[in-house]
Amino acid sequence: GENVEQHPSTLSVQEGDSAVIKCTYSDSASNYFPWYKQELGKGPQLIIDIRSNVGEKKDQRIAVTLNKTAKHFSLHITETQPEDSAVYFCAARAVGGSQGNLIFGKGTKLSVKP
Amino acid sequence: NAGVTQTPKFRILKIGQSMTLQCTQDMNHNYMYWYRQDPGMGLKLIYYSVGAGITDKGEVPNGYNVSRSTTEDFPLRLELAAPSQTSVYFCASSYYQGSSGYTFGSGTRLTVV
Repeated sequence: GENVEQHPSTLSVQEGDSAVIKCTYSDSASNYFPWYKQELGKGPQLIIDIRSNVGEKKDQRIAVTLNKTAKHFSLHITETQPEDSAVYFCAARAVGGSQGNLIFGKGTKLSVKP
Repeated sequence: NAGVTQTPKFRILKIGQSMTLQCTQDMNHNYMYWYRQDPGMGLKLIYYSVGAGITDKGEVPNGYNVSRSTTEDFPLRLELAAPSQTSVYFCASSYYQGSSGYTFGSGTRLTVV
């Protein structure tokens, strides 16, 4: 079945710097890759997603890139702000097992220092 | 529009007790999911449902049961609680299965002592 690896597990940056979180997936047939942000004490919230027919997608300060050949995708946050501090999860849609459900990475705790 | 509502927010159970975690969504989503979140381990799928009356096991179903009698409700039942079930539980729903954003509830923090 699908397996999603996420790195790094923790990331600390200075306010204004960029942050990059990387994920790899194992199922070459996976076709949907969302990213979620989880603030302390809350449930994960979708912040951006990308489908397999697109290489890059941007939404203001966040962007996601997808390399299908290498089976990896990344989240890029520019001009980081303290409110970007949270745990970020990547996910991939499993086409084979689990009937097409999302498989999540283990998360990256991002800390933005003012 | 409340989205996905989970109750209770916190609960302490003794070993061997049972309880039901409630989940309700008001978005008319067919697909609903239960995940557990352990520190450093991400989100693991317990059970999911593709519609009223249809449920299926996820990655870690042992010790849990679910039912889906209506589109709105997807309760998770813990029988004979064990310390290994100490976790944060999230319910989620989606319009399409795995190819659109999931809407998550705010979670239930369960401690088994």
